[in-house]
Parts: sequence; structure tokens; C-alpha cells
Amino acid sequence: GAGVSQSPRYKVAKRGQDVALRCDPISGHVSLFWYQQALGQGPEFLTYFQNEAQLDKSGLPSDRFFAERPEGSVSTLKIQRTQQEDSAVYLCASSAIAGVSYEQYFGPGTRLTVT
Amino acid sequence: RKEVEQDPGPFNVPEGATVAFNCTYSNSASQSFFWYRQDCRKEPKLLMSVYSSGNEDGRFTAQLNRASQYISLLIRDSKLSDSATYLCVVKPVGGGATNKLIFGTGTLLAVQP
Repeated sequence: GAGVSQSPRYKVAKRGQDVALRCDPISGHVSLFWYQQALGQGPEFLTYFQNEAQLDKSGLPSDRFFAERPEGSVSTLKIQRTQQEDSAVYLCASSAIAGVSYEQYFGPGTRLTVT
Repeated sequence: RKEVEQDPGPFNVPEGATVAFNCTYSNSASQSFFWYRQDCRKEPKLLMSVYSSGNEDGRFTAQLNRASQYISLLIRDSKLSDSATYLCVVKPVGGGATNKLIFGTGTLLAVQP
């Protein structure tokens, strides 16, 4: 079956531009996560949704980062006024059940380069 | 100090070798433990969960020592296809609603022919 998909796969933005990154989770998955992976590092948690509710946004690095999942399916991560330090791979993951340690399935990521 | 610490490597080993990776975590109340594998420019994928009793999956053996807050992964009879980054992953206690994962930096393994 289809896995988690993300678009675009690559994005180059000039410093100061706004970007929007899309995640399509596995159909029926309740939980959705966003992670940021800088070069040479492991993924770092940004935010978590259970259906349409954003239950944890403790990892968002600044108020320039905003995520939504209005209908409990597709999610968008928006970064306003991009900075060079925002350059990273942004990974989306989904899992089937909320509140239980079920496997998180990752998408291929969006590689963001801010010039 | 990072919550999950790993030796970044690289570990360069010949085919057929046995290699071991170690990881320590700082939150003694952590709930669940995993090893993920990440190929170059690909997404992380679950390799195996780690249980206190130790668990094995073919050539892979994972161990957890809660007293020492230490996790290990042993790969026997290394194959070229095992070359990847191995990420040590911890799920903290669910004090809230989140099921977030905490990743280590990853250990790079290169198996040589």
C-alpha cells in the first residue's frame, strides 16, 4: 500500500521567503509527526497531531514555524521568513494508533536549502 | 548533554565481521527503545524494538540495560547491504499526549568487500 508521501522533495528558498511543506500520511493513521534533520544529525521532533488536534508543538524552534492538519489527514508545515539555519531535511511520520507506542512510518522528507 | 548519545563512527568493517554499537540515554524514566536504520538520503526505518530481556532478529541482537541506561546493537556476519546509519531511539514517558521519538546522532557503518 501507499506509504507516507511528502512534497516537494526538494525546495530552494531565498532567505526571507515563506515555504510550505506538505505531508500525506498513510490513510487512516491517527497520529502525525514532523521532525527536522540537520546534516549529520538525527531527526529532532518538531510537532505532533492526533487527528486534527495539535497536541505537542514543543519542538518548533521559533514562532516562524507553524503546522496544521485541518481535516485530520494531510498536514502542512509552514516556515515564514526562512533563515539559513532552517536548511535541513523535514521528515513527516505517521502511526496508526494514538497514545500507544506503535511504529512510526516516515516519509522520504523534503530537503530545504535556504540561500 | 544530548538525551541520547551515540558514537558517530564511522565503523569500517570487512564483510563477515561482527560489529557492536552502543548508546546511552539520560532520562531514566524513558519508556520504549528502538534501533532505526537510515540509508543515505533516505528516511529512517524501524530495524527493531529493544526489550529488557534482550531480543534477536536473525543476525541482529539488541540489548537494554535500564540500570546503566545503555542500549546496544550487535550485527553478526556483516553484509555489504548492512552499510547505513544506525539510529538509537528512545520514547520518553508519555507525561502528555505525545508519542514523540528522541533520536541519537546515528552511527555510520560501512561494510567493506
